[in-house]
Amino acid sequence: EAGVVQSPRYKIIEKKQPVAFWCNPISGHNTLYWYLQNLGQGPELLIRYENEEAVDDSQLPKDRFSAERLKGVDSTLKIQPAELGDSAVYLCASSVRGGAVGNTGELFFGEGSRLTVL
Amino acid sequence: KNEVEQSPQNLTAQEGEFITINCSYSVGISALHWLQQHPGGGIVSLFMLSSGKKKHGRLIATINIQEKHSSLHITASHPRDSAVYICAARNTGNQFYFGTGTSLTVIP
Repeated sequence: EAGVVQSPRYKIIEKKQPVAFWCNPISGHNTLYWYLQNLGQGPELLIRYENEEAVDDSQLPKDRFSAERLKGVDSTLKIQPAELGDSAVYLCASSVRGGAVGNTGELFFGEGSRLTVL
Repeated sequence: KNEVEQSPQNLTAQEGEFITINCSYSVGISALHWLQQHPGGGIVSLFMLSSGKKKHGRLIATINIQEKHSSLHITASHPRDSAVYICAARNTGNQFYFGTGTSLTVIP
């Protein structure tokens, strides 16, 4: 079974340019998370989706960040315009929401998209 | 105040040593997760537990719900165990609270 797929793996852009990341979660996983991870730090939540609904976007800097999860499957995260401080690894993760039959509740991460803003 | 606290922050061990990483949490949980991240690599789920103890090979995870504490043990440590180990608490609302991680280096 395929895991969480993210692209691109690496992206280098100049500041003020736009960038977009794509995530395809594990089939059947209704919960999707976007996290930001700086070097030596744990993941920080940007946004959480339950199906197509964004249920927690309180940490998403909405002036420059946007996300969507059309049809409740894959998702995109966009930054426009990018700033130097946005350089980080952007992680997508998925899980099955509690209560579902066969739910193990495990959290599965993609390999991440490493963004460098010059 | 962090909802999840891990200790130690950094740990260096000789190959073969028994290793313990501790995690304390302050939120009500539906499950406690242990994750592993190798340098430059992705994050992999090691354990998800809500009570008692689980074992996979040389790794053992325990949790004490009353004390809100979990431990990850590695027996007969090996250099390939060198990684960052992250504790994460999941509440009933599907929110995750992450510790800052324990960086483990196992020296041959």
